[in-house]
Amino acid sequence: NAGVTQTPKFQVLKTGQSMTLQCAQDMNHNSMYWYRQDPGMGLRLIYYSASEGTTDKGEVPNGYNVSRLNKREFSLRLESAAPSQTSVYFCASSDRGRANGNEQYFGPGTRLTVT
Amino acid sequence: GQQLNQSPQSMFIQEGEDVSMNCTSSSIFNTWLWYKQDPGEGPVLLIALYKAGELTSNGRLTAQFGITRKDSFLNISASIPSDVGIYFCAGLFGKLIFGQGTTLQVKP
Repeated sequence: NAGVTQTPKFQVLKTGQSMTLQCAQDMNHNSMYWYRQDPGMGLRLIYYSASEGTTDKGEVPNGYNVSRLNKREFSLRLESAAPSQTSVYFCASSDRGRANGNEQYFGPGTRLTVT
Repeated sequence: GQQLNQSPQSMFIQEGEDVSMNCTSSSIFNTWLWYKQDPGEGPVLLIALYKAGELTSNGRLTAQFGITRKDSFLNISASIPSDVGIYFCAGLFGKLIFGQGTTLQVKP
C-alpha cells in the first residue's frame, strides 16, 4: 500500500494563478483532510471531508476550495494564489468509522511558493 | 478556541540521553496522538492514546494520556541520531488540534 500520495511535490506560482493539489489514499478510509504547515504555526486544518460526498471548512478555509472526487481522492484548489498561501500542504486520511479510527495518516506534502 | 501548548520548543541533547516533552491544554480531549516529522516529509504517527491514565510504549518511546485529560507526555529513552526531527502532539475532541512541535537535535 502506498498510503496517502500527493502531487505535485513542489510548485511555484505567480500571484493570481490557479492550481489544484491532488491527494489520493488507498487505505479505504472514510475521512480526508487538507492542512497547511507554516513555521511556528503547527498544522492548521483548511478543509475536511468526513465521508464521500461531504466537505466542511476547517480553521483556515479562505482562498481555497475542495472536491471529494470519490472515496479515494480529495483535491484542494487555489483559485487565485496569493503570497500568503506560500506554505507546505499536507493531505491526511482517517477511518472514523472504526471505534479507534481517529488516527490520521499523512501524505508527503506539497511545497508551494507564490511569488 | 482550543489550543495546545507543547514544550519544550526545541531540545539539543547528547546521544544516549533520555528525552521528555509534553502538551497541555485548558480543554479536555478524548484522544491524544503523537507524531514525528522528518525534514521534507509528512508527519508519521508514533503513538495513539484513548483513555485517561493510559500508558503506551512503542519501542524506546513511551507516551501517557494525562489523568485530567488535559495533557499528554512523550518520553524517548536512550536517544539515537535518527530520533532527530519535529515531534507533534495532537488532541482530538471533535476535531484534531496540533501542538506547535518540539524540534529535537541529537549530537552523536
